[in-house]
Amino acid sequence: EVQLLESGGGLVQPGGSLRLSCAASGFTFSSNAMAWVRQAPGKGLQWVSGVNPDGIHTNYADSVRGRFTISRDNSRNTLYLQINSLGAEDTAIYYCAKVRDYGDWRFYFDNWGQGTLVTVSS
Amino acid sequence: EIVLTQSPGTLSLSPGERATLSCRASQSVRSKSLAWYQQKPGQAPRLLIYDASSRATGIPDRFSGSGSGTDFTLTISRLEPEDFAVYYCQQYDSSPPNTFGQGTRLEIK
Repeated sequence: EVQLLESGGGLVQPGGSLRLSCAASGFTFSSNAMAWVRQAPGKGLQWVSGVNPDGIHTNYADSVRGRFTISRDNSRNTLYLQINSLGAEDTAIYYCAKVRDYGDWRFYFDNWGQGTLVTVSS
Repeated sequence: EIVLTQSPGTLSLSPGERATLSCRASQSVRSKSLAWYQQKPGQAPRLLIYDASSRATGIPDRFSGSGSGTDFTLTISRLEPEDFAVYYCQQYDSSPPNTFGQGTRLEIK
């Protein structure tokens, strides 16, 4: 059974930083592209970032490019998201997701973690 | 960027009824690259349908997807109490980004 367990969320002041983690199990992590998706309170879903299986290639939504960094440690079966220069608009539940990748960053999300809440407030 | 518009915003039905949810794309989605997700309160989304009409593992056959081009439909043939939730469509034809619709809330009448 695929399991994705996020951690690292919390309350952070505007301009602050956090590092989110996602521990994966139940599948061959190193063979799968992964992604982060977020959901602001009471709002819809927004893809944030993706990374290919070996961690070399990454991509980001325009709204986070330059502030967020996705990475992975295949030896630890763990996905990360470093989020910097946080603003109120970044307040959201951040979900880690395993993706079914069709290439060229075209993918859907076939398994999701339970999410970790990031709240940006002074 | 492909924009997905879901309708209706809220659908009120009773258990046992048939639900039809729509997802319209601002431009044609190639190769039927469209997925549907279900999200219940306080839970993560769950994949229901991919490639417009293929059911994900473990999804009951009362859920079906159809459509092509710019118009896609999720149908729930006979609503069960556990089906009342928010449903999202997502395209993966044009990326990045892999865009989502704004959601349809399916509520008990």
